[in-house]
Amino acid sequence: DGGITQSPKYLFRKEGQNVTLSCEQNLNHDAMYWYRQDPGQGLRLIYYSQIVNDFQKGDIAEGYSVSREKKESFPLTVTSAQKNPTAFYLCASTRSGRGIQYFGAGTRLSVL
Amino acid sequence: AQKVTQAQTEISVVEKEDVTLDCVYETRDTTYYLFWYKQPPSGELVFLIRRNSFDEQNEISGRYSWNFQKSTSSFNFTITASQVVDSAVYFCALSEGYGGATNKLIFGTGTLLAVQP
Repeated sequence: DGGITQSPKYLFRKEGQNVTLSCEQNLNHDAMYWYRQDPGQGLRLIYYSQIVNDFQKGDIAEGYSVSREKKESFPLTVTSAQKNPTAFYLCASTRSGRGIQYFGAGTRLSVL
Repeated sequence: AQKVTQAQTEISVVEKEDVTLDCVYETRDTTYYLFWYKQPPSGELVFLIRRNSFDEQNEISGRYSWNFQKSTSSFNFTITASQVVDSAVYFCALSEGYGGATNKLIFGTGTLLAVQP
């Protein structure tokens, strides 16, 4: 079945630790996105990538990093510089710049 | 500036009632897309509808209908004869320039719909 897979479903971060969230898609989509969801604030764009080896910052990129070495994969690293990482993280992909964004099931990150 | 406002934070209805979720948007662009997504308790966002700025026809899909009015910058969503399975958070979103270079979505803060049996 085609889709977007995010793992893990739940993740815990210790103080000063970097953690990486995985996002894989087998839809042959070109563009991929990372959003952060906080209660009562909707979704905000962290990073996006339209082609392999290229990505751009979204509205809240500070404290995060990404890579796009393969078309299917767009991992997000939450670095120790992100002081308030507790949130629900959603990955999305779309066939092209005009396509509909489809979402994965999300990763819930908490701080220990 | 682009903005999407969903003024209704929470709505509670009894099963079989009709319910309308409001969405008001702001944009300086003349070409844009509007979206509705559903987020059930599992967390995944499920795409419901996309409407482009030149198509003001109302749309009906089963129990769902959408009313797009450019004159009031609104894109409201009505569920007829609501069911418990409709309980979810519903997000309205805006994408400017028919996707453009970024296809960036601007989301509203969502409306939590609780349908009681």
